[in-house]
Amino acid sequence: EPEVTQTPSHQVTQMGQEVILRCVPISNHLYFYWYRQILGQKVEFLVSFYNNEISEKSEIFDDQFSVERPDGSNFTLKIRSTKLEDSAMYFCASSDGVPNTGELFFGEGSRLTVL
Amino acid sequence: AQSVAQPEDQVNVAEGNPLTVKCTYSVSGNPYLFWYVQYPNRGLQFLLKYITGDNLVKGSYGFEAEFNKSQTSFHLKKPSALVSDSALYFCAVITYGGFNKFYFGSGTKLNVKP
Repeated sequence: EPEVTQTPSHQVTQMGQEVILRCVPISNHLYFYWYRQILGQKVEFLVSFYNNEISEKSEIFDDQFSVERPDGSNFTLKIRSTKLEDSAMYFCASSDGVPNTGELFFGEGSRLTVL
Repeated sequence: AQSVAQPEDQVNVAEGNPLTVKCTYSVSGNPYLFWYVQYPNRGLQFLLKYITGDNLVKGSYGFEAEFNKSQTSFHLKKPSALVSDSALYFCAVITYGGFNKFYFGSGTKLNVKP
């Protein structure tokens, strides 16, 4: 069964460092997303990406965040200068279009720890 | 604004008993409702969805959910719980045209005891 894959599974970084989280969405999907989950809290929307551009972003997704689809398969989230409060599990998701099938397919997440 | 509420942080049930995990929503248009499950250190897995049609939706692993428009609810149910159902369950909503953003509830931890 096709799946969304994410790397790394866990990254530890120092505050102020740049981090890139990588995702390979399901190959025929068109919509890509990043969500995050701070430990013990709800899953929060960060950004959606369609047709090679951001289609929507949340207030969390400020100037330190960026997304890119550098080739036909990868979808990356970059955090330019990490802060302690960026520590969270970051989930990539993809979908083939809503609402016909509707559901998001999530990766297993990348845990980011900022020290 | 769209929102989802899961009023219970935790639900405890004995194996073999029926379970219910509650979800209520608030949206400005017609809702599309979803349930996801998260096992420890794993991503979210889709369980079921309501888009239109029959209010009772059946999904994976024997789960079902009932859409109740008047009560703005979408409770998740299972007639007979298994220990392996123990996990974190998230309700989520989007609206037609709002395909970019899923609003998730805060999650409900389901504990099924043998």
